[in-house]
Amino acid sequence: DADVTQTPRNRITKTGKRIMLECSQTKGHDRMYWYRQDPGLGLRLIYYSFDVKDINKGEISDGYSVSRQAQAKFSLSLESAIPNQTALYFCATSPPGPQETQYFGPGTRLLVL
Amino acid sequence: AQKITQTQPGMFVQEKEAVTLDCTYDTSDPSYGLFWYKQPSSGEMIFLIYQGSYDQQNATEGRYSLNFQKARKSANLVISASQLGDSAMYFCAMREAYTGGFKTIFGAGTRLFVKA
Repeated sequence: DADVTQTPRNRITKTGKRIMLECSQTKGHDRMYWYRQDPGLGLRLIYYSFDVKDINKGEISDGYSVSRQAQAKFSLSLESAIPNQTALYFCATSPPGPQETQYFGPGTRLLVL
Repeated sequence: AQKITQTQPGMFVQEKEAVTLDCTYDTSDPSYGLFWYKQPSSGEMIFLIYQGSYDQQNATEGRYSLNFQKARKSANLVISASQLGDSAMYFCAMREAYTGGFKTIFGAGTRLFVKA
């Protein structure tokens, strides 16, 4: 089984709809992240959490919110989806320490019409 | 200013040959880490190799090595004996400290095509 899972893997939604992307991990890592990937822009950090009680904004948090329900679960919500939120979304985890190698989920392809 | 620069949008290499993917970075933090990730067409992100800023030796992982030139702020990935399965996007990333912890910044990526 995959260590980091994301649901759904693909989603089509309409402008203005609320949508939640979910991430679960079995790696036992405290640190979890949400990124979005757009062509030509690499990955950009949306939100991150270093433990259940810690939530921090990344560089592009506007229009998104997150919930850390447990050590193993980190959800990303788009309260009112807009077309420019169409992207590939990745959840990642990392162990504590200075290296902080990130382990990614398989990604969620989101299309907002 | 770009923190991570990958100047090669696309690269071609013949199977079994070596290829170098370029990455330059910009940071004033003396303690930082450099990563390379591979993204095949299936979309997942796969960690390849890590280099710490204080590491004296260049990192190696199997056919991957990181040519770390600290004074030039470059961290090029070298793939030896390319295989068809190496065709993918490759991302260079840097972890640096900031207020409250660390963050990882990714470059725009280089798409590698391995020719048979």
